[in-house]
Amino acid sequence: QVQLVQSGAEVKKPGASVKVSCKASGYTLINYGITWVRQAPGQGLEWMGWISAYNGNTSYAQKLQGRLTMTTDTSTSTAYMELRSLRSDDTAVYYCARGGLYCNFGTCYYYSYGLDFWGQGTTVTVSS
Amino acid sequence: EIVLTQSPGTLSLSPGERATLSCRASQSVSSSFLAWYQQKPGQAPRLLIYGASSRATGIPDRFGGSGSGTDFTLTISRLEPEDFALYYCQHYGTSWTFGQGTKVEIK
Repeated sequence: QVQLVQSGAEVKKPGASVKVSCKASGYTLINYGITWVRQAPGQGLEWMGWISAYNGNTSYAQKLQGRLTMTTDTSTSTAYMELRSLRSDDTAVYYCARGGLYCNFGTCYYYSYGLDFWGQGTTVTVSS
Repeated sequence: EIVLTQSPGTLSLSPGERATLSCRASQSVSSSFLAWYQQKPGQAPRLLIYGASSRATGIPDRFGGSGSGTDFTLTISRLEPEDFALYYCQHYGTSWTFGQGTKVEIK
């Protein structure tokens, strides 16, 4: 069965960086994009961006451009999200989810089935 | 940038009642890329509806999605106790955004 398992909670100081992992199983990582979504305490869902493990293509939310990097390691079926220059308003639960793109036989399409599987979430706390 | 506005902010209903949740887009969007999610406290969101009207795997048929253009609706025909939760609409594909959410609470 499809599973996305994320790394554990992190506490960081302002200005530091955090790197969250998301290990996929039950399907082939390169066929599907991984999307990252975050949720600040008591707030709604915020789309951060997606990455295609097939070709490394990414799309990031404009407000996070310059601080955000998404990568994948196909040898371990793991996706990573790194956020730099952390601020207190980056305190949130970070989720990875399957979706964004579908790639097969050399062609990629926008995945029309939504974000169909989610990781359990990783709490990132930014505090001095 | 597309903005999704959900209404109402909170819906107070009793088990067995019908719930109607609205999601309005600031400009016309493809219904192929409109989804609804349910989220309970302390849990990750769960996909309910994709493509505006298709139920995700394992979703009961009391959940239904409809709409096109700028107006979309999630309907829960008869509320079960486990349906009281937060609901988000989302546009994805060429641009990505979530609505701010509708809370369905027990009256």
